[in-house]
Amino acid sequence: QKEVEQDPGPLSVPEGAIVSLNCTYSNSAFQYFMWYRQYSRKGPELLMYTYSSGNKEDGRFTAQVDKSSKYISLFIRDSQPSDSATYLCASSGGTSYGKLTFGQGTILTVHP
Amino acid sequence: DAMVIQNPRYQVTQFGKPVTLSCSQTLNHNVMYWYQQKSSQAPKLLFHYYDKDFNNEADTPDNFQSRRPNTSFCFLDIRSPGLGDAAMYLCATSRVGSETQYFGPGTRLLVL
Repeated sequence: QKEVEQDPGPLSVPEGAIVSLNCTYSNSAFQYFMWYRQYSRKGPELLMYTYSSGNKEDGRFTAQVDKSSKYISLFIRDSQPSDSATYLCASSGGTSYGKLTFGQGTILTVHP
Repeated sequence: DAMVIQNPRYQVTQFGKPVTLSCSQTLNHNVMYWYQQKSSQAPKLLFHYYDKDFNNEADTPDNFQSRRPNTSFCFLDIRSPGLGDAAMYLCATSRVGSETQYFGPGTRLLVL
């Protein structure tokens, strides 16, 4: 079993839709949860960062972590074609050097 | 702007011919990481440096080596590339104690 599981999609939505991206994890030591956005042939870019359980909002993006169910979510409101990318969830904790364990990534396409 | 730079962006090598990928950073971060990302897969940590201390992941093949001559630069050496080593190689940095990693744009390696 992978430590972080993510549905690879692909996910295709119309412009303006609300997008929900999800991951599950198995390692109880994980305390930090991130979402990275990766455009085609580029490096991952940090989008959202959350410590422990709770919600965090930044503009059109909301990250949720439920540690009781080991569930991580990213919501994108009013999605735009420029949001088309691969979204990677990542978790860390339990190591001294901030090792990130990534999900496989979900490919999102927002069409006009 | 502070950033993580990787060179070259694309590298073509022959089966068995040694290749070196480079990473530099202007963030002055103590920790530098090398990841391998194959198509449609999660980035996989190969090793990391905490200052000059090198730390190998247990499942990183011996074929992969790294050097960090100073804080700003880090190199990934692949001694005898095989066809299975074709991938995107990502360099990332972080401050000690921070779980947030900043990625470079990656080097796409093709092995012929």
